[in-house]
Amino acid sequence: GAGVSQSPRYKVAKRGQDVALRCDPISGHVSLFWYQQALGQGPEFLTYFQNEAQLDKSGLPSDRFFAERPEGSVSTLKIQRTQQEDSAVYLCASSLALASLSYNEQFFGPGTRLTVL
Amino acid sequence: AQSVSQHNHHVILSEAASLELGCNYSYGGTVNLFWYVQYPGQHLQLLLKYFSGDPLVKGIKGFEAEFIKSKFSFNLRKPSVQWSDTAEYFCAVRVSGGYQKVTFGTGTKLQVIP
Repeated sequence: GAGVSQSPRYKVAKRGQDVALRCDPISGHVSLFWYQQALGQGPEFLTYFQNEAQLDKSGLPSDRFFAERPEGSVSTLKIQRTQQEDSAVYLCASSLALASLSYNEQFFGPGTRLTVL
Repeated sequence: AQSVSQHNHHVILSEAASLELGCNYSYGGTVNLFWYVQYPGQHLQLLLKYFSGDPLVKGIKGFEAEFIKSKFSFNLRKPSVQWSDTAEYFCAVRVSGGYQKVTFGTGTKLQVIP
């Protein structure tokens, strides 16, 4: 079946522009995660959804970052007034997990590489 | 909060050499541990995981990892690497009983020379 897809795969923005990054999770996956991966670093957690509910947004670096998943499927990560330090690969992952106490494997998408000039 | 350290940032091996990648975590409670791999041009994917039971876990492609609780370590091993193992490897930890959040290390790039 289809895996997690993300679009666009590459995005170049001028400093100050707003960007929107899209994630299509695997069909039926309840949980969805966003991670930020800076060059030479591991993925860092940004936010987590269970269905349409955003249960944790503690990793969002500033109020310029906003994520939504209005219908419990597709998710969008929006970055307002982009800065150079926002340049990174943004990864989306989804899992079947239904409960907070169990764990299911997270399946990752290919990522969106954002470059802010 | 939990954290993960991977001490080797870049490892170069010849084919058939043995591999051991170090991973240490900091968290005093019960954890779940993972190794993820990212082959060139591909998505991040799960290599193996430890939840409980036998501390020696086996994953895909001949990889294994050993959980040593007293050392807070979860090192990845493979007896004989192949050129196709060239990839970046990430160790990760999740607080057991917590929700889904996974904390990753900074990764180790493995280059296998034919």
